[in-house]
Amino acid sequence: DTGVSQNPRHKITKRGQNVTFRCDPISEHNRLYWYRQTLGQGPEFLTYFQNEAQLEKSRLLSDRFSAERPKGSFSTLEIQRTEQGDSAMYLCASSLGGDVYGYTFGSGTRLTVV
Amino acid sequence: AQKITQTQPGMFVQEKEAVTLDCTYDTSDPSYGLFWYKQPSSGEMIFLIYQGSYDQQNATEGRYSLNFQKARKSANLVISASQLGDSAMYFCAMRLHTGTASKLTFGTGTRLQVTL
Repeated sequence: DTGVSQNPRHKITKRGQNVTFRCDPISEHNRLYWYRQTLGQGPEFLTYFQNEAQLEKSRLLSDRFSAERPKGSFSTLEIQRTEQGDSAMYLCASSLGGDVYGYTFGSGTRLTVV
Repeated sequence: AQKITQTQPGMFVQEKEAVTLDCTYDTSDPSYGLFWYKQPSSGEMIFLIYQGSYDQQNATEGRYSLNFQKARKSANLVISASQLGDSAMYFCAMRLHTGTASKLTFGTGTRLQVTL
């Protein structure tokens, strides 16, 4: 297992279009997280799954954002009707649940809305 | 609510020297975990070290150690014998252990530049 995989690495889209990102976590990790990182800031929490259940959502996650994790494996994050303010790096992380092992992050998907 | 503060936007250190990156946190919860991550220009967040609020000893992991001062609410990262490959952004983060809290709250980061 080579870690957390995110696709695509880069996405440029026109304002108003819908985009979908995919995250493949480490296979034995039952917890999956999405974060958003804008320039000069630390990552901000968006949502959290334990297996297939979405247990926590940030208020940052407006109605235009939706995330799924069918069957508790890979996850998708969809943004509908994109806005320029959605331009950011979207990071996915997974974990087994023990903090001492940390959370394993992917390399992220950089979204640019033009 | 929890908050992480990193007051050093940028730091320089000479190769082979030690450097301390500052982190203070704010929470009223008694149980929490503190993390440090490294983010190179490639964008991936790399886990470095973890300290639990009830851990009696400061965490160490190779050249990384965490100077945990609970009363001061500080969790500084010490990197010994700096290497050129240590040049990156460094983020301090916290997770509360109460209830179903799962998210990491990050600081704004410190950019470390290692020079020859």
